[in-house]
Amino acid sequence: SQTIHQWPATLVQPVGSPLSLECTVEGTSNPNLYWYRQAAGRGLQLLFYSVGIGQISSEVPQNLSASRPQDRQFILSSKKLLLSDSGFYLCAWSLGDNYGYTFGSGTRLTVV
Amino acid sequence: SQQGEEDPQALSIQEGENATMNCSYKTSINNLQWYRQNSGRGLVHLILIRSNEREKHSGRLRVTLDTSKKSSSLLITASRAADTASYFCATDALSNFNKFYFGSGTKLNVKP
Repeated sequence: SQTIHQWPATLVQPVGSPLSLECTVEGTSNPNLYWYRQAAGRGLQLLFYSVGIGQISSEVPQNLSASRPQDRQFILSSKKLLLSDSGFYLCAWSLGDNYGYTFGSGTRLTVV
Repeated sequence: SQQGEEDPQALSIQEGENATMNCSYKTSINNLQWYRQNSGRGLVHLILIRSNEREKHSGRLRVTLDTSKKSSSLLITASRAADTASYFCATDALSNFNKFYFGSGTKLNVKP
């Protein structure tokens, strides 16, 4: 069966520090991969998505970047965190448009 | 943007009652999905309905789609306290069906 792993679960980082969040998928090949961010009590904002290795599409200009070094690995990064980067970050995978997303358990990032 | 918008923002009902949540969107879609999120957790996929479908059922869940009105509804019948969660609709776009946009959600509280 397919599983998605996302870590860490919580993270407190100072302003200006770097960030690296990792997401890995098991049990499937060539999935579409997504990073979303959720502000407290709000909906999800699509940050990045990838349909293959090295293929990254960015939805909004921001302080973050994403990479897909392997088929089932998706990494969200920042060189210098801002206070506004705080939020709940969710990774998800899908086999395509006619399939639902499977979400990871999320990382709660607090920038202080 | 293509983000769906759920209505109402919050809904409080007694156990055993039915709960209806609505979603409206702006541009034509291929598919629409409904998700559930328990507090502080990842999202769980409930139902995907295609643009050529009008109604879909899954257990106590019933989803309808009216593409002429660009709207969808999620009905939970005979609600239980365990149904307490936030519910989100997500829509894709005809021009790019690899990504889904989420609304702000309906927060459902089912009182025992």
